[in-house]
Amino acid sequence: DSGVTQTPKHLITATGQRVTLRCSPRSGDLSVYWYQQSLDQGLQFLIQYYNGEERAKGNILERFSAQQFPDLHSELNLSSLELGDSALYFCASSVGSTNPGELFFGEGSRLTVL
Amino acid sequence: TQLLEQSPQFLSIQEGENLTVYCNSSSVFSSLQWYRQEPGEGPVLLVTVVTGGEVKKLKRLTFQFGDARKDSSLHITAAQPGDTGLYLCAGARGNNNDMRFGAGTRLTVKP
Repeated sequence: DSGVTQTPKHLITATGQRVTLRCSPRSGDLSVYWYQQSLDQGLQFLIQYYNGEERAKGNILERFSAQQFPDLHSELNLSSLELGDSALYFCASSVGSTNPGELFFGEGSRLTVL
Repeated sequence: TQLLEQSPQFLSIQEGENLTVYCNSSSVFSSLQWYRQEPGEGPVLLVTVVTGGEVKKLKRLTFQFGDARKDSSLHITAAQPGDTGLYLCAGARGNNNDMRFGAGTRLTVKP
């Protein structure tokens, strides 16, 4: 158990819909990262927050947004869903924001868009 | 295109064999990490390397960071079925910890 909690574990929805994925980091970790894992593209970095502020942005679509709340949990919002958004979405956390720092991953949220 | 290219993509070997997997890039990294991911779980850190030419050993696993800090290798001696999993390398290019991952090498060790 990494200490990172993600909900829901599985989500099935239709194209055009909007979903919210939630992540609670390990106790004491200030950085939260979101990654998308699909079969053909591996683990893609989406976005990082540190203590409530956006720190780095990766290949995150404009239809996706995220935030980190004062209690340090984070949410990833995916809207206008397309078939290609079907993937595993991982949240990870680390103590700080500088590297090298160990990333602790949750078990992921599997999104299926039909 | 991936920032980090891993090879081979798939590897299936018998228990007791040795193997090496590679992680290559044209970019220089300030640090590089190797993770292992098992089905239904998130990746788990195996090792972090930060110095060019650095070699780290973790039981039967040997990790090397290239002199130019652009590549890395993972060597497993006498592989066991418990080594089965997806091996991912990840690198950071600046001070920030936004690690970028390769697509991974999926290793299967048959008893």
